[in-house]
Amino acid sequence: DTGVSQDPRHKITKRGQNVTFRCDPISEHNRLYWYRQTLGQGPEFLTYFQNEAQLEKSRLLSDRFSAERPKGSFSTLEIQRTEQGDSAMYLCASSHPTSGRADSYEQYFGPGTRLTVT
Amino acid sequence: RKEVEQDPGPFNVPEGATVAFNCTYSNSASQSFFWYRQDCRKEPKLLMSVYSSGNEDGRFTAQLNRASQYISLLIRDSKLSDSATYLCVVEGVEAGNNRKLIWGLGTSLAVNP
Repeated sequence: DTGVSQDPRHKITKRGQNVTFRCDPISEHNRLYWYRQTLGQGPEFLTYFQNEAQLEKSRLLSDRFSAERPKGSFSTLEIQRTEQGDSAMYLCASSHPTSGRADSYEQYFGPGTRLTVT
Repeated sequence: RKEVEQDPGPFNVPEGATVAFNCTYSNSASQSFFWYRQDCRKEPKLLMSVYSSGNEDGRFTAQLNRASQYISLLIRDSKLSDSATYLCVVEGVEAGNNRKLIWGLGTSLAVNP
């Protein structure tokens, strides 16, 4: 399977615990994105990397959230001291922009990690 | 005005019907436009990129109207399997010329037998 993969697919945790999610992008894609989605809403942008550089973070990403992409390949998203409001689907996407093309932002998503904070 | 707006629906149509969704955007400098499809509790999947004034892929036609700042998605001869949420995505430009994708909330389509 050469698509985007995410692990774990489901995570149930108690409030106050830390959780870490992993995303493996499509191998030739240099951009990697994290989104959060709750039921009935579109994906909300959290952050993105170009290679290993984290180029942008949303205001939604509080200090409890941190993301890394140390070698420009896989990425991790950690949530510290989880709260019930963190319950959501966490989606990872990757893309490989080609300058000047309209398809430069085509993003391909992984299956997501569904987080439930009890 | 929201950066990207879609009619949330739901649209309920019979099999074989033609259905159209509209999506309006606020940033006139946007250059990239996409339609994604999302099935219940699944990840979004790219349906179409929208080039210049529009493009067609089988039963699906996407059109872009820059003057009025909207894109549309037309589905002809709808199938039961077309039932899903259709998300409009527009490239946004922020301060510092940072570009990112802005997602609409989606339009729900239910095709009925």
